[in-house]
Parts: sequence; structure tokens; C-alpha cells
Amino acid sequence: SYELTQAPSVTVSSGQTATIDCSGHTLGDEPVCWYLQKPGQSPVLVIYQDVKRPSGIPERFSASKSGNTATLTITGTQPLDEADYYCQVWDSSAWVFGGGTRLTV
Amino acid sequence: QAQLVESGGGLVKPGGSLRLSCTASGFIFTDYYMTWIRQAPGKGLEWLAYITSSGNHFYYAASVEGRVSISRDNAKNSLYLHVNRLGAGDTAVYYCARGFGDSSNGLDVWGRGTTVTVSS
Repeated sequence: SYELTQAPSVTVSSGQTATIDCSGHTLGDEPVCWYLQKPGQSPVLVIYQDVKRPSGIPERFSASKSGNTATLTITGTQPLDEADYYCQVWDSSAWVFGGGTRLTV
Repeated sequence: QAQLVESGGGLVKPGGSLRLSCTASGFIFTDYYMTWIRQAPGKGLEWLAYITSSGNHFYYAASVEGRVSISRDNAKNSLYLHVNRLGAGDTAVYYCARGFGDSSNGLDVWGRGTTVTVSS
């Protein structure tokens, strides 16, 4: 089955830029979505179609893709951005989630 | 605003079955496809099942295919998930989530989840 790989954890200082990577062997061919999940809460969509932000998502959240690696970037990271972040694609009639990256601020 | 509310979770004995429900409000239910996703304690997100807006087509994760069935009642703005032959590995929070158009648009509204615990 298709797998998306994420680092288990990333630590960033408040105000700095956080980058969270997601890799998959055909990621370059598939639109990527990103979700954040704070402890005890439901996931929230923060990026869709590789780079688009839903309404209400702050501009400090952005994303990019190069080859088979997608990257979520949080500019000017705030303590409230501390959460688990998941990448996701649709592959062979299935939603596939990465294992998640815990961002510590 | 758009809202999804799951129900039907609880304590279930191994080998048992249950039906989870998800009630939608604040949006046109028939405009959206729906999915079920679960999260085991301390683990990541696992997609389980998808159903089209009409309810005519569905897909299942290989990990649960044959044990789960997704359905919807558009007249009641409701989504369902039947799960059979429950085991300890099915202990998780079960979320319903909606999507619009194709999968590249992501899942933009999630419920708060309902907790299923499988234990004797």
C-alpha cells in the first residue's frame, strides 16, 4: 500500500519558521492536503491542492512541493501552532495519511 | 455553520458489531461526499471508507474491507458506518468528514468524533 513519510517531530522557536516535510514515491503526481490537529480536537484542513489555503487559515501557513516531497511552512510560528500535522493524498481509490509530525514551539 | 456530529460509540465486546452515525447540519448534505476516518489512542489518522454524494459508490480501506459498510440517508442528512467482528485494534476515535468536488479539495469539515472501545 502507498505510504507517506513524515518526521515524527519538529521543534521550532517562537517567531521562527517551521518546515514539515512529507515524502511519497509518486507525490509529485498527486495533489497534497495538509491538516493540523491540536490535542483533544478534530483535524483541521490547512492546505488543499498542494498550495491553497481554505478561508480562515492564516497566511503564515503555506506549502510547496518539489519532486516527491511536499513541505508545509509556517512563517512566524506561534505557540498556538503547536499541534500534530498530517499530509494526505488520494491514491488508488484510497485516502492516505502520513504518520504525522508533532510540532513543538 | 456546517457541522457534523457523530454518535453510536461506546464499549463493545470483541467480536461484536456496532453502527456509528454522523448527522450533518448547516450545509446541503447532498452536495458533499463523506468519509469515515479513525484515530487509535496516541496514533495517527487512518481513513476507513468513502461514499459519493448520491450514495451510489463507495470505497474501503484494505485494512477493514469486508468488515465495514458505509451508507447514507440523504433525506435524514445522515451518514452511517457499520463495523463487524470488532477487535482490540478497532479501539479508536471515529470521525466523519465531508469533501466537495474531487479529493484534491481535502476534507474541510470534521466532526468531533465518537469513541469506540473494544474490550471484554
